[in-house]
Amino acid sequence: AQTVTQSQPEMSVQEAETVTLSCTYDTSENNYYLFWYKQPPSRQMILVIRQEAYKQQNATENRFSVNFQKAAKSFSLKISDSQLGDTAMYFCAFSPNTGNQFYFGTGTSLTVIP
Amino acid sequence: DAEITQSPRHKITETGRQVTLACHQTWNHNNMFWYRQDLGHGLRLIHYSYGVQDTNKGEVSDGYSVSRSNTEDLPLTLESAASSQTSVYFCASRKTRTSGKDGELFFGEGSRLTVL
Repeated sequence: AQTVTQSQPEMSVQEAETVTLSCTYDTSENNYYLFWYKQPPSRQMILVIRQEAYKQQNATENRFSVNFQKAAKSFSLKISDSQLGDTAMYFCAFSPNTGNQFYFGTGTSLTVIP
Repeated sequence: DAEITQSPRHKITETGRQVTLACHQTWNHNNMFWYRQDLGHGLRLIHYSYGVQDTNKGEVSDGYSVSRSNTEDLPLTLESAASSQTSVYFCASRKTRTSGKDGELFFGEGSRLTVL
């Protein structure tokens, strides 16, 4: 069974500082994809970043980057230069390449403090 | 711009009533999904469809049904609403059947359902 675990229900960070959100997953698949989605108070789910498991290089998107450790099954999200607009719920998600399903973690609520 | 829309955005109903949540996407995606979001559970898959006339049960399908008569729409029906079905419901679609290039999930804005 595929599971995704986010062990930090809530986090906070000062504006302009850096914060790291943790995610671990469990799978027997070898080819899969990992995602971080952001859900601001508007409820809209927005893709932040994605990582292909076969790529060793960590994905980056502007201020967002990941630390992907395949052997440890860890996929953390680093947000640099945090902004007030980063305040949101963040969901880690896993999707095996062989299937059509996404498996989501329980989310981490991030608050950026001015 | 292509989009995915859900209606209604908010609904209050009574136990035992039938409720239908609409989902319409203009991406022309074959793959569509319904999730429910609850505190402490994240998003859980209710039903999904790979194309017209195709529907499949997800992790929490009991009490829900879907039908796919065209590419654009996947309505979710609660045959007899129960208080345990109070939740926020998200519809999503994606271009490809499996993850990979173009494998991103696109979400609607969610429908908050309260069953009294």
